[in-house]
Amino acid sequence: EAQVTQNPRYLITVTGKKLTVTCSQNMNHEYMSWYRQDPGLGLRQIYYSMNVEVTDKGDVPEGYKVSRKEKRNFPLILESPSPNQTSLYFCASSSGTGWTGELFFGEGSRLTVL
Amino acid sequence: KQEVTQIPAALSVPEGENLVLNCSFTDSAIYNLQWFRQDPGKGLTSLLLIQSSQREQTSGRLNASLDKSSGRSTLYIAASQPGDSATYLCAVRPLGSSNTGKLIFGQGTTLQVKP
Repeated sequence: EAQVTQNPRYLITVTGKKLTVTCSQNMNHEYMSWYRQDPGLGLRQIYYSMNVEVTDKGDVPEGYKVSRKEKRNFPLILESPSPNQTSLYFCASSSGTGWTGELFFGEGSRLTVL
Repeated sequence: KQEVTQIPAALSVPEGENLVLNCSFTDSAIYNLQWFRQDPGKGLTSLLLIQSSQREQTSGRLNASLDKSSGRSTLYIAASQPGDSATYLCAVRPLGSSNTGKLIFGQGTTLQVKP
């Protein structure tokens, strides 16, 4: 089954404790991206990747890092989480260049930073 | 700056009714428009993707139209069912030099279909 898989789905952590949210897709997509969803602000792009070893900032990259060492994986790293990073996070992938392809989303990872 | 608006924010209808969800966007320079469904606490499920050169797309009981020149899209749901209850989001992928491939999302319409 074609899917985007995120882990963990739920996480409660404390300020400053480094964490990684993994994302993996099995559709051989070149384009991958991370979004966060917040009440009243909707979905906003954090980072994106056009292909292996090619990543760039989205609209709200502060406090996050990403890497793209393999085509299928695009982990989101929070080096020193803060309470304002409490949010629902989504990983997405798309075929081709990312401009015209359909975007597929994972199930989401709900993160709470205390 | 591209902005996407969905009206109404919430909608409640009796089962069996045909309904239309509206989406408007401020800049017609887009690659495509995509409709999603989001169930509470769940991810986004892609429903329909309309490329900028297309006028409509259909999938089962769903039909989405796109009028790029007027900045509007509609999602038509035929013979609504309680299982259709969810939040429906539309999103556009803008043209332009930023080339992030990002989608600009509306705030969504929360639909409740009553048995």
